[in-house]
Amino acid sequence: AQKVTQAQTEISVVEKEDVTLDCVYETRDTTYYLFWYKQPPSGELVFLIRRNSFDEQNEISGRYSWNFQKSTSSFNFTITASQVVDSAVYFCALNWNNAGNMLTFGGGTRLMVKP
Amino acid sequence: DAMVIQNPRYQVTQFGKPVTLSCSQTLNHNVMYWYQQKSSQAPKLLFHYYDKDFNNEADTPDNFQSRRPNTSFCFLDIRSPGLGDAAMYLCATSRDKSRTSRYEQYFGPGTRLTVT
Repeated sequence: AQKVTQAQTEISVVEKEDVTLDCVYETRDTTYYLFWYKQPPSGELVFLIRRNSFDEQNEISGRYSWNFQKSTSSFNFTITASQVVDSAVYFCALNWNNAGNMLTFGGGTRLMVKP
Repeated sequence: DAMVIQNPRYQVTQFGKPVTLSCSQTLNHNVMYWYQQKSSQAPKLLFHYYDKDFNNEADTPDNFQSRRPNTSFCFLDIRSPGLGDAAMYLCATSRDKSRTSRYEQYFGPGTRLTVT
């Protein structure tokens, strides 16, 4: 079965705190792709990152970083020094090799950053 | 620069009255998708096109239809909207998969449909 679990439905932090959003996935395929999307209150999903299963290098982009660990089937997302503009719903998604272009989304994590 | 455009942003329709939502793209992507997203839920794929090749998800109700007259435009038709069809409808596009890669989807801002 192909599945994405985001156990944290809602997280609330104060501005400048670091926060990690968890994502655990299940797939039988050895070739797969993982994505993170941000959905701000305006509604549009914004692509953040894509990672394929053969590339376990962690990635940093400004205040954002991603930790991909195949051993624990996790692809966690950390925001350093959070800002109010980071408030959004964040979705982790999986595409496996036989799924064409289709994405399986996790349930999403709502992040609220308070000033 | 808008890349995936959805009109209208807000649509109100009456129970049972047909409604059409539109999507256009300037990315020249050959894959287009329609998703339904209800409050506090993840987007749910309704159908998608590879060029003009239509692919319906197994659990998409017959009440939902789609048209793609050309690469740039795609329409979602709801033939007889029910109260349960009130949701955000998201259009997305992507490049087609390659043998060695998958590509991110680009989403429009969505159309929020209210059924009265």
